Amino acid sequence: QSVLTQPPSASGTPGQRVTISCSGSSSNIGSNYVYWYQQLPGTAPKLLIYRNNQRPSGVPDRFSGSKSGTSASLAISGLRSEDEANYYCAAWDDSLSGHVVFGGGTKLTVL
Amino acid sequence: EVQLVQSGAEVKKPGESLKISCKGSGYSFTNYWIGWVRQMSGKGLEWMGIINPDDSDTRYSPSFQGQVTISVDKSISTAYLQWGSLKASDTAMYYCARGGEYSSSPLFYWGQGTLVTVSS
Repeated sequence: QSVLTQPPSASGTPGQRVTISCSGSSSNIGSNYVYWYQQLPGTAPKLLIYRNNQRPSGVPDRFSGSKSGTSASLAISGLRSEDEANYYCAAWDDSLSGHVVFGGGTKLTVL
Repeated sequence: EVQLVQSGAEVKKPGESLKISCKGSGYSFTNYWIGWVRQMSGKGLEWMGIINPDDSDTRYSPSFQGQVTISVDKSISTAYLQWGSLKASDTAMYYCARGGEYSSSPLFYWGQGTLVTVSS
């Protein structure tokens, strides 16, 4: 059972906009930044969003992040077949001397 | 170019010890925290812990505290993850990743992963 809650799956057709939610608590999302990672099949994860809504260099602006209270979401617009991957949210958790917690991951399928 | 190169796949028996490595290059090794993440087959990411290479300050996930040891040798820009007595349930892919200036920073750069298989 992951500390952050994500839907196990999401889907969309090419060109559509999809959103993936991530729910936490006051000790993690409610008081710290949210990060999003993309993991393509058979590869290492890649940082997609940091500080709630910032994109590292090279990440297309089709990807955007937002946070409100103890929840966050990742939006992908103009969906492309190469976006099919697992997406994970993460945040620092202030409990028990501090540590990072991940969501369980969302498998995005491009139909 | 920032690179994290991990040691190769390992096959071990239950009860054996193991130390895997992660060598950083292309940046100032002591300026950025390095974290370890576990991924069991077909499962999600689990944050294990993170270490400051400059002073070896280490934070562990409660789930992994006492189960593994994270260390670093800054003279050779290498971080380590070790087990004293492996269990079959330790079978997984292990990733190291470079964080930022703080323990709470995100993991910007990732190693290629080290597959650890524990089987009798």
